[in-house]
Amino acid sequence: EAGVAQSPRYKIIEKRQSVAFWCNPISGHATLYWYQQILGQGPKLLIQFQNNGVVDDSQLPKDRFSAERLKGVDSTLKIQPAKLEDSAVYLCASSLYVNTGELFFGEGSRLTVL
Amino acid sequence: DAKTTQPPSMDCAEGRAANLPCNHSTISGNEYVYWYRQIHSQGPQYIIHGLKNNETNEMASLIITEDRKSSTLILPHATLRDTAVYYCIVRVSGSARQLTFGSGTQLTVLP
Repeated sequence: EAGVAQSPRYKIIEKRQSVAFWCNPISGHATLYWYQQILGQGPKLLIQFQNNGVVDDSQLPKDRFSAERLKGVDSTLKIQPAKLEDSAVYLCASSLYVNTGELFFGEGSRLTVL
Repeated sequence: DAKTTQPPSMDCAEGRAANLPCNHSTISGNEYVYWYRQIHSQGPQYIIHGLKNNETNEMASLIITEDRKSSTLILPHATLRDTAVYYCIVRVSGSARQLTFGSGTQLTVLP
């Protein structure tokens, strides 16, 4: 069974530029999550989707971050404009159900903002 | 969700059992204990979860104290590949609210 796919694996940009990350969840998984993991810290939830609807985006900095999950499958997370403090690994995860604690994570996309 | 406390780091000799403690003294009756691990440069990986009974799977065993205020994850025969950050997370059963990760325990398995 294919896992959660993410791209790109690495991205380096300058501050005020924009960047987008893509995630393809495990087939059949209705729930998709984006987490941000700053070096030395545990992952922090940014947004959670159930199919193509948002369940929780309370910790998403909406002035610069946006995410969408068109057609309830793939998802894109965008940052515009990027700040130095956005340097982190962006992890995508999926789960079969919205109320389960068993999440399957991708390998992440490492962003460096200079 | 209840807060958890874990030691920041632990060492374990290869082939020995690794016992990772977690304190969750404010856990509620409907909250499960979840364990994940994160190997360097990879995403977190689910290990095991439990409510109040001890649980075992192919990866590990989870021992939860009778008062549920603490738990221990046991890796029975640690290998070098078990070197990772281990996260103990408490989560309400059946809730749509997702996992809140702390800083975890860095387990280093020594040869």
